[in-house]
Amino acid sequence: GAVVSQHPSRVICKSGTSVKIECRSLDFQATTMFWYRQFPKQSLMLMATSNEGSKATYEQGVEKDKFLINHASLTLSTLTVTSAHPEDSSFYICSARTRMHSYNEQFFGPGTRLTVL
Amino acid sequence: AQTVTQSQPEMSVQEAETVTLSCTYDTSESDYYLFWYKQPPSRQMILVIRQEAYKQQNATENRFSVNFQKAAKSFSLKISDSQLGDAAMYFCAYRSASNAGNMLTFGGGTRLMVKP
Repeated sequence: GAVVSQHPSRVICKSGTSVKIECRSLDFQATTMFWYRQFPKQSLMLMATSNEGSKATYEQGVEKDKFLINHASLTLSTLTVTSAHPEDSSFYICSARTRMHSYNEQFFGPGTRLTVL
Repeated sequence: AQTVTQSQPEMSVQEAETVTLSCTYDTSESDYYLFWYKQPPSRQMILVIRQEAYKQQNATENRFSVNFQKAAKSFSLKISDSQLGDAAMYFCAYRSASNAGNMLTFGGGTRLMVKP
């Protein structure tokens, strides 16, 4: 149980286009989902926290107009990178949390590698 | 704000030997959770072990154990009988026990190499 999927696993796009990444909790309802960004050989940096049905809370320095997050249901959150540029190339990881599991544990998706040409 | 520090960017261990990864953290809270996550080359984050701050007993999961020193704000991970499959990035993480956010704060990571 407690499986989180991400789609796509890899995406290559041209500069200036928008890319949508989906994060789904497959066997549980996620009250909260988190989006992280990870550069090569670095740690995970939290970008934003989203609760179902409400606006996402962005971390300092993260442009909310560039990284649009939608948490429309208890099993789906999407991250849209708008007008992507090469510096947006990175590994994006989502995680989902439910209060039904002990410790309010977060379960991680497998990540999405974004390459902007 | 909480911070998590992993002072060892890389560690190496011989197969079947024991290795300890260090982690220190800074917080003003008294109730929190600490975690060690493993990130293999696949990049999938895997929970290795967790520790509740209110518990004095160190957590253990098979070959993985922690040394939790609350006063010193130290949380090291010991891997016994290291296996080739243990080679990965290891991240120490902190999470408040309060309901506000409950987000994870990660350390910078330690790359563990296991030599056959």
